[in-house]
Amino acid sequence: NAGVTQTPKFQVLKTGQSMTLQCAQDMNHEYMSWYRQDPGMGLRLIHYSVGAGITDQGEVPNGYNVSRSTTEDFPLRLLSAAPSQTSVYFCASSLNRDNSPLHFGNGTRLTVT
Amino acid sequence: AQSVAQPEDQVNVAEGNPLTVKCTYSVSGNPYLFWYVQYPNRGLQFLLKYITGDNLVKGSYGFEAEFNKSQTSFHLKKPSALVSDSALYFCAVRDWIKAAGNKLTFGGGTRVLVKP
Repeated sequence: NAGVTQTPKFQVLKTGQSMTLQCAQDMNHEYMSWYRQDPGMGLRLIHYSVGAGITDQGEVPNGYNVSRSTTEDFPLRLLSAAPSQTSVYFCASSLNRDNSPLHFGNGTRLTVT
Repeated sequence: AQSVAQPEDQVNVAEGNPLTVKCTYSVSGNPYLFWYVQYPNRGLQFLLKYITGDNLVKGSYGFEAEFNKSQTSFHLKKPSALVSDSALYFCAVRDWIKAAGNKLTFGGGTRVLVKP
């Protein structure tokens, strides 16, 4: 019972590099989202998806792209990494778009130098 | 816009004593309210939620929370804390009218330290 799987767990990038953070869920959840966690700021929503082929911006979308080609996968792309994107990134999914609880992955710790 | 405030960065409590973690919220409509817990190097885990109905909500691991509409609060409580309850706790809110999808707004988190 894998739940939400995020890879990699750690990543170091140089400024200007690009990369993709992977997220996969095996619970057939309709809703998926990406958050970043920074000390004292809680979690802030980057992008979300209410189903395959549908994505939308959250609170802090600049510098990130997403796509949802399948129900299971929701990758997050950093186009040109900046030091301000140093953070811990969490992928979360829920059964539907309403009030079902979010299931979180274990996070990706990203450092941009 | 919806927002959440957790006024305490850290709460210290002795094992066996009652634990309270405070949360206040702001929404323009009716709130959906949640508590999550995060252990080191892990993702957040769902504890409980308030959608409607009884103002006292019971959740996992002996936790409960009381919804108070007049004070716009949703404080998390546990009658007798355990050392294993030491973790980072997050309150979250969703405005069920205004917020599309399952978009939650999280508070800044409160670190709980339970001492033996």
